[in-house]
Amino acid sequence: SYVLTQPPSVSVAPGQTARITCGGNNIGSKSVHWYQQKPGQAPVLVVYDDSDRPSGIPERFSGSNSGNTATLTISRVEAGDEADYYCQVWDSSSDSVVFGGGTKLTVL
Amino acid sequence: QVQLQESGPGLVKPSQTLSLTCTVSGGSISSGSYYWSWIRQPAGKGLEWIGRIYTSGSTNYNPSLKSRVTISVDTSKNQFSLKLSSVTAADTAVYYCARNWAYYYGSGSRNWFDPWGQGTLVTVSS
Repeated sequence: SYVLTQPPSVSVAPGQTARITCGGNNIGSKSVHWYQQKPGQAPVLVVYDDSDRPSGIPERFSGSNSGNTATLTISRVEAGDEADYYCQVWDSSSDSVVFGGGTKLTVL
Repeated sequence: QVQLQESGPGLVKPSQTLSLTCTVSGGSISSGSYYWSWIRQPAGKGLEWIGRIYTSGSTNYNPSLKSRVTISVDTSKNQFSLKLSSVTAADTAVYYCARNWAYYYGSGSRNWFDPWGQGTLVTVSS
């Protein structure tokens, strides 16, 4: 089955840029989606189709996808961005959804 | 806007069947080209997709859970449901329902979840 690999944690100072990676075999050929989950809350979609933002999501959130790595970039990080972030794709070989293991973003 | 709400028992005994319902409000479950999915999350762990259903009744399941999962839809009640049989402690988790946007192209597919329900904790214990 298809596997998505995320770093367990990423730390960044306020105002800096955070980059969270999602690795997978030829992931650039797939459509990648990203979710933010704060403690005790349901996940929220922050980027879909590699780089599109749903209505209401700040422009500070952006995404890219090429080769074997997709990246969620959060610019001008704020304390309120501290959360777990998950990437997700559709695996056509098994007709099923795959999530990455999640990355905890800590704002220093 | 569309909202989803999970409901069902919070405690299930081992070997029994877990049953949950997701009620969709603010829109018809039959409108648009959406699937409707179940996703779960054990405490302190990541997200696991369980399966999904289209309003036609077509389903897809996580291969690792397929033998124990049944998802159904009741369009008259604007609801869809999850049944997970032969549960063990490993099935203890927060269970979420979510609207699944799905588009197909060539050999690929674009599938994402928005919005999600608030989640409901199901504990498997005697």
